[in-house]
Amino acid sequence: QITLKESGPTLVKPTQTLTLTCTFSGLPPTTETGAMGVAWIRQPPGKALEWLAIIYWDDDKRYRPSLKSRLSITRDTSKSQVVLTMTNMDPVDTATYYCAHSPEGDFYDSSVYMSWGQGTLVTVSS
Amino acid sequence: QSVLTQPPSVSAAPRQRVTISCSGSSSNIGNNAVTWYQQLPGKAPKLLIYFDDLLPSGVSDRFSGSKSGTSASLAISGLQSVDEAVYYCAAWDDSLEGVAFGGGTKLTVL
Repeated sequence: QITLKESGPTLVKPTQTLTLTCTFSGLPPTTETGAMGVAWIRQPPGKALEWLAIIYWDDDKRYRPSLKSRLSITRDTSKSQVVLTMTNMDPVDTATYYCAHSPEGDFYDSSVYMSWGQGTLVTVSS
Repeated sequence: QSVLTQPPSVSAAPRQRVTISCSGSSSNIGNNAVTWYQQLPGKAPKLLIYFDDLLPSGVSDRFSGSKSGTSASLAISGLQSVDEAVYYCAAWDDSLEGVAFGGGTKLTVL
């Protein structure tokens, strides 16, 4: 069974850097093609889902173009964690942040998220 | 403004059939598979349909997906009150080199 859980601060001040950790279990340390990944997706209150970034098991990374300069995604295999950092936080970044698992296989691509964490609400306010 | 366009809301009576549309372009739906998610209030999204029309294990066959050109649709038959949720379409976008989500469609079962 695959589980993911997000952790991090619930409140950050404007201009601060946000660091979120996704701790997972049930995912193999390596895969045949390295096409499996863990992504971060956020959802402002009452609004739609917004994809942020993904890191694949071959260490390839992709970022949302409009936020690319502010985002960094890394993976710590020894801790079974994926970490997202977002710099220069602004009140518009207030959202529930989810991490989610994208499986590897012929019928899966990076828009397929089989397992999700419960989400963590981050509020940006002074 | 979402890259993928969905109607904000749809409604139908119990036991009826409803469809939710998702309109994109050649860089996303036209060239990549479509995925659908269901989000119940206060919950994380749940995978509903992948690779345009495939159902993950455990998802009711009352849900079905289809795609034609740069548009896709989610159909729900035999509507039940438990189906009240927000539904999102998603697809990889070659121009963005990232995942595009639709704006979400709120389904109300009358």
